[in-house]
Amino acid sequence: KAGVTQTPRYLIKTRGQQVTLSCSPISGHRSVSWYQQTPGQGLQFLFEYFSETQRNKGNFPGRFSGRQFSNSRSEMNVSTLELGDSALYLCATRQGNEQYFGPGTRLTVT
Amino acid sequence: KNQVEQSPQSLIILEGKNCTLQCNYTVSPFSNLRWYKQDTGRGPVSLTIMTFSENTKSNGRYTATLDADTKQSSLHITASQLSDSASYICVVSAVYSGGGADGLTFGKGTHLIIQP
Repeated sequence: KAGVTQTPRYLIKTRGQQVTLSCSPISGHRSVSWYQQTPGQGLQFLFEYFSETQRNKGNFPGRFSGRQFSNSRSEMNVSTLELGDSALYLCATRQGNEQYFGPGTRLTVT
Repeated sequence: KNQVEQSPQSLIILEGKNCTLQCNYTVSPFSNLRWYKQDTGRGPVSLTIMTFSENTKSNGRYTATLDADTKQSSLHITASQLSDSASYICVVSAVYSGGGADGLTFGKGTHLIIQP
């Protein structure tokens, strides 16, 4: 069974631009969560989707948004990028008590 | 406020030695506690998951303990190898209705370096 995949793996953007990240969950998993990871803050919860509906949302500004498609694939969008948005963005799928993380997308904002 | 504190922040040990990482939490009501290993630039990988009734759980050279009374957990690594160099993250889940991801509280991790 293939694991969680994320694309792209690396991305460099300029302040003010927008970016879209993609996450494909493990086959059969319908829950997708997104996290931002920075050295100082650790992993912070962005939002969670289940069956195309946003179930939960963390404490991030409205510039961060997401959606989930009928095949459970999910995208995350960040508009008007700021230098502080530079981070590793991880998505995870969940089944029961277990969470499975993707390899992440390393976003650098210059 | 739910919190997870990990110590030490970083640790350097020689290959072949043992080490113990600590996790203290204030998450309530408690559901389960997980330890993850994260290699540099990769996503976290689950090592163990422990519920309220479990005191000890092993995964190869990794042994996790849980004391639900004192709200402490430890991860013991035996006979360390160079491949153990990574960040180790403690994650505690609260019992929220629906069991959503917002019920998870993450520690900031312990950065472990194994030197030859």
